[in-house]
Amino acid sequence: QVQLQESGPGLVKPSETLSLTCTVSGGSISSYYWSWIRQPPGKGLEWIGYIYYSGSTNYNPSLKSRVTISVDTSKNQFSLKLSSVTAADTAVYYCARGLPSVVRGVMGIYFDYWGQGTLVTVSS
Amino acid sequence: EIVMTQSPATLSVSPGERATLSCRASQSVSSNLAWYQQKPGQAPRLLIYGASTRATGIPARFSGSGSGTEFTLTISSLQSEDFAVYYCQQYNNWPPLYTFGQGTKLEIK
Repeated sequence: QVQLQESGPGLVKPSETLSLTCTVSGGSISSYYWSWIRQPPGKGLEWIGYIYYSGSTNYNPSLKSRVTISVDTSKNQFSLKLSSVTAADTAVYYCARGLPSVVRGVMGIYFDYWGQGTLVTVSS
Repeated sequence: EIVMTQSPATLSVSPGERATLSCRASQSVSSNLAWYQQKPGQAPRLLIYGASTRATGIPARFSGSGSGTEFTLTISSLQSEDFAVYYCQQYNNWPPLYTFGQGTKLEIK
């Protein structure tokens, strides 16, 4: 059974960088697409970006200038860095495994395993 | 950006009855649509992908249908554990910008 676990600071100051790590257990990080998704308190879900185990990435254009996702296959981990945070970045951050689907030449991913989520609050 | 609109925002249904949740895309997403269930304090759980394929371990009372811009999640004979928030997600664009609906809260009537 694949399990994902987020870790990192629960409080980040405005203008600083949010850093989270997701540890994957019960399966290899090789293959699949590994994503970060966030959910502001009481609101809906926002896809942040993904990394393929080989290192290729894609990000939500609205966050692209501030986001970096990296992978460490030797540790079965992938990480998120979000720079210049503001209160609007306060959210529960989830890591998730993405499965690819190709329909009529368009590849997309949906998410079959999720971490439990970690609340990150941006406040001074 | 493809905007996903779910209706209704809240649905009140009695246990044992059928629930029908809708999701509309602002442009065609073919069959690249997934449904998730989220209970308070928990991560979302994948129910349906490819618009109509149940994920592993999902009971048969959950079914998905639709293609293009109109999708439906049907839960036949609601059980107590089914009361939750349901989200749809499209994954049909390149470069990728996967978007979720705002959610439908399914509550006990």
